[in-house]
Amino acid sequence: KQEVTQIPAALSVPEGENLVLNCSFTDSAIYNLQWFRQDPGKGLTSLLLIQSSQREQTSGRLNASLDKSSGRSTLYIAASQPGDSATYLCAVSGNAGNMLTFGGGTRLMVKP
Amino acid sequence: DAGVTQSPTHLIKTRGQQVTLRCSPKSGHDTVSWYQQALGQGPQFIFQYYEEEERQRGNFPDRFSGHQFPNYSSELNVNALLLGDSALYLCASSFAGTKGLAEQFFGPGTRLTVL
Repeated sequence: KQEVTQIPAALSVPEGENLVLNCSFTDSAIYNLQWFRQDPGKGLTSLLLIQSSQREQTSGRLNASLDKSSGRSTLYIAASQPGDSATYLCAVSGNAGNMLTFGGGTRLMVKP
Repeated sequence: DAGVTQSPTHLIKTRGQQVTLRCSPKSGHDTVSWYQQALGQGPQFIFQYYEEEERQRGNFPDRFSGHQFPNYSSELNVNALLLGDSALYLCASSFAGTKGLAEQFFGPGTRLTVL
């Protein structure tokens, strides 16, 4: 059974810092990995999707890497801003279009 | 292009009642998945519908059932509500034919409170 863990569970940083969020999964037979952002009480916004054959994806100030063999992914946020404050979730898929298994999320607060 | 939509936004029910939640997928998508998210936790997979059939199911009791219509929209039904069913219910859609890029897009969710 796939299990996904995110560390840390919560993080508070001053504005402008670069930061790294971690995600680990127990079964390396994944099809893809997605990072999501969730604002309080809202739905999930997809940030980045990395296919199993890829090593990283970038979107603006966000960079996600994937090391499938070791079961790890990191989300790097450059020059953090107060608007980045949210919960960040990672999820893995066993095959195309199939169920996503989520981690518990990292709750990020960026202080002005 | 409308994204994934869900209705209603909020719902309050009492124990033992039944509830129906609705989801319309993103334009061009044919697969709908449902997730339950308890407060402070990551979403848990309930089931997935494709071509009007349940394709995969998570570890949820038979009180949770669903349906997909010919226009790809979907309903989630929960019978005999328990206090523990209180959660944010999320719908996600994807396109089954996009090999290698089955990105899932989520709706805003329905907040269900069971009293």
